[in-house]
Amino acid sequence: AQSVTQPDIHITVSEGASLELRCNYSYGATPYLFWYVQSPGQGLQLLLKYFSGDTLVQGIKGFEAEFKRSQSSFNLRKPSVHWSDAAEYFCASGRGATNKLIFGTGTLLAVQP
Amino acid sequence: DAGITQSPRHKVTETGTPVTLRCHQTENHRYMYWYRQDPGHGLRLIHYSYGVKDTDKGEVSDGYSVSRSKTEDFLLTLESATSSQTSVYFCAISPGTSGGSYNEQFFGPGTRLTVL
Repeated sequence: AQSVTQPDIHITVSEGASLELRCNYSYGATPYLFWYVQSPGQGLQLLLKYFSGDTLVQGIKGFEAEFKRSQSSFNLRKPSVHWSDAAEYFCASGRGATNKLIFGTGTLLAVQP
Repeated sequence: DAGITQSPRHKVTETGTPVTLRCHQTENHRYMYWYRQDPGHGLRLIHYSYGVKDTDKGEVSDGYSVSRSKTEDFLLTLESATSSQTSVYFCAISPGTSGGSYNEQFFGPGTRLTVL
């Protein structure tokens, strides 16, 4: 069965430090991959998406992600974290014509001053 | 922002009572989805719709039913609410695939449901 794994439940980084959030997927065919961010009490906002082509994708708010088929990974990165980046981050994989998404369990990011 | 509203935004109800949550969109998107969000589980798909009167089950559909009589509205009903259905419910919409692209889902603000 298709699954998405986010190994890190909680991560704390200092403001200005670099960030990498891990995501691993299992899917036989070419995956469609997404990163969403959720601020407290809010809905989910799309950061970036990968369908095909260039394996390094740029998103909003200075985020990027790299698709690595050999590692079944789609890790999210940001070179310098801002306090406003504190939120929960979800990786998701899409499948089929119905666009159904499978979500990881999320990574909660805390930013220290 | 995608035009998605959910109502009510908060609801407290008692075990055994029926509850209906509403999702309304102004984007005329074909696909609509209901998810529930619980700590440690991320978001899990309850039901989805691929057109008016066309719906199907997701991975956690037991105890839930849906209806879509108009493109813009997707209703989620808990026939007899249980405490295990206490959760945050999110509606999402998507135009579907087009031109070889896989379109993302846009999420509503959520409904926090508490079943006592």
